[in-house]
Amino acid sequence: GAVVSQHPSWVICKSGTSVKIECRSLDFQATTMFWYRQFPKQSLMLMATSNEGSKATYEQGVEKDKFLINHASLTLSTLTVTSAHPEDSSFYICSPNWDRAIVTEAFFGQGTRLTVV
Amino acid sequence: SQQGEEDPQALSIQEGENATMNCSYKTSINNLQWYRQNSGRGLVHLILIRSNEREKHSGRLRVTLDTSKKSSSLLITASRAADTASYFCATDALMDTGRRALTFGSGTRLQVQP
Repeated sequence: GAVVSQHPSWVICKSGTSVKIECRSLDFQATTMFWYRQFPKQSLMLMATSNEGSKATYEQGVEKDKFLINHASLTLSTLTVTSAHPEDSSFYICSPNWDRAIVTEAFFGQGTRLTVV
Repeated sequence: SQQGEEDPQALSIQEGENATMNCSYKTSINNLQWYRQNSGRGLVHLILIRSNEREKHSGRLRVTLDTSKKSSSLLITASRAADTASYFCATDALMDTGRRALTFGSGTRLQVQP
């Protein structure tokens, strides 16, 4: 299966600071990266889709100015939570997409547990 | 938006018993997948069933799909304590942005008592 590396696995930050989460596809080229958010005991909700070389697309209700996404290369996508607040505390997971991703299994990063204090 | 609902939300059984989880979805699908998530971890793919399939097996897992009812079930036979996890169904769906992406059901938290 595809290898997806997500860092950090957990982070604690102060309210008002920014946090960057990296997601790397180690053995394939990801033209698209899906970013999900999961609150405790809830399901994964798609936040945004990053596209290599172009702007990310955001799902309804997700603030694009707060969750900055960069997909500068085919192997790296980053999500930056700007001016984080306690309500942003969540589990963030990335999942790369390639042509086969929709018709076969998807692969996910290990996830990042963000706690804003 | 979330694609589907799962029931039960939580399930507690004894080791050796079977566990059945159900998933319902809203739109037409190409396939339906089941994933497992241990607490605080990423997701692991378990099994994929295509829209033209009705049943599929993989080891102790059995998945059924009823496209007329827009529902699927996951059966884990002879459960083990190590099966304790959350289980999610997922389908590819058209998102608000016009792109297709995996969307997940609400999940079932399974607890297998040793």
